[in-house]
Amino acid sequence: EVQLVESGGGLVQPGGSLRLSCAASGFTLSDHYMEWVRQAPGKGLEWVGRSRDKGNSYTTQYAASVEGRFTISRDDSKDSLYLHMNSLRTEDTAVYYCARDRYSAGIYYKDYWGQGTLVTVSS
Amino acid sequence: IQLTQSPSSLSASVGDRVTITCRASQGISNALAWYQQKPGKAPNLLIYAASTLQSGVPSRFSGSGSGTDFTLTINSLQAEDFATYYCQQLISYPLTFGGGTKVEIK
Repeated sequence: EVQLVESGGGLVQPGGSLRLSCAASGFTLSDHYMEWVRQAPGKGLEWVGRSRDKGNSYTTQYAASVEGRFTISRDDSKDSLYLHMNSLRTEDTAVYYCARDRYSAGIYYKDYWGQGTLVTVSS
Repeated sequence: IQLTQSPSSLSASVGDRVTITCRASQGISNALAWYQQKPGKAPNLLIYAASTLQSGVPSRFSGSGSGTDFTLTINSLQAEDFATYYCQQLISYPLTFGGGTKVEIK
């Protein structure tokens, strides 16, 4: 059974840093693209970024709102995906979800999501 | 690429047929997915490639469209379908979501 479990959220001051983790099980992490998506309180979904699979050298893409501040990494030996967040702003306050991508019909789409972890940026 | 969902909310009764539209600011072929989200829960995949039903999703859900105009239809709305629905384009970075459509009980 595929499972994704996020952790590492919490309260952080503006300008601070935080690392989110996503523990994956039930599949081979290195074979899959993985993504982070966030949702501010009471708002819609916002795509944060993507890490491609081992065959694509784990290259990454980011939303403009986080480019240069957030970095996605992974440790396949620990079956874990990470989101390193620096220079945090109040507008980064959100529930952060990790999601697994599946490739079919010519596209990558998110077929499994974690339960999310809340990040609050406030002084 | 911007995605415009309409309506932003709707009220419907159990048994109704519900249609939600998603319009892309430029052509995206069939690179669109639909997700359902219930309060306090993670999104759940319903449809990918515009019209392919994800395994395990009830057949009352269907998707159609290509290019710039897409539709999610729920036939015979059930109590468990009251939720917020999002479309997302999957062809061009950033992978944008629509603003969401909240389906409420009439």
